[in-house]
Amino acid sequence: AQSVTQPDIHITVSEGASLELRCNYSYGATPYLFWYVQSPGQGLQLLLKYFSGDTLVQGIKGFEAEFKRSQSSFNLRKPSVHWSDAAEYFCAVGANGNKLVFGAGTILRVKS
Amino acid sequence: GAVVSQHPSRVICKSGTSVKIECRSLDFQATTMFWYRQFPKQSLMLMATSNEGSKATYEQGVEKDKFLINHASLTLSTLTVTSAHPEDSSFYICSARDLALASETQYFGPGTRLLVL
Repeated sequence: AQSVTQPDIHITVSEGASLELRCNYSYGATPYLFWYVQSPGQGLQLLLKYFSGDTLVQGIKGFEAEFKRSQSSFNLRKPSVHWSDAAEYFCAVGANGNKLVFGAGTILRVKS
Repeated sequence: GAVVSQHPSRVICKSGTSVKIECRSLDFQATTMFWYRQFPKQSLMLMATSNEGSKATYEQGVEKDKFLINHASLTLSTLTVTSAHPEDSSFYICSARDLALASETQYFGPGTRLLVL
């Protein structure tokens, strides 16, 4: 069965610093990969997705992610973090045509 | 585009009562909607897949008689928590896939926080 691992429960970065959130997945075939962001008490907003093609994917709010098949990873990056980026980030893998399997999430704190 | 709404955003009810939560796709049609449950400080767990015009598919361990799902139109799915108990208190989130795009992308609603007293 597919699974998603986000090894970092919490990450704290300074405003203006770069960010990388890690995501590893387990899936037998080429997966559909997603990053979502959730602010407290809110639903999920799609940041970016990878289905096929260019392995470096650009998303909204200046985020990007790179699919690395050899490492089964889909890490999320941002070159310069803003205080408004503080939220919880979920990596998800889509498989079996419908279902999304989510990682446990990474809480991002931004210090000024 | 791709906006999903949920109603109500918050609900408090007494133990033993039933609560209905609506999920609507506002600017697209969705043959498939999904219902998730999220406990505090935890990830989302898929409860069921809702298909327009047919019975929902429930994940293992989810009681279908307790969590009734109806998907009567291409823009509306409802989740009814029957005979709610305090342990049903949670954050319920729905998502929908855009039929026209035939995409794997799911668009999420803002969630409904249920508190059962």
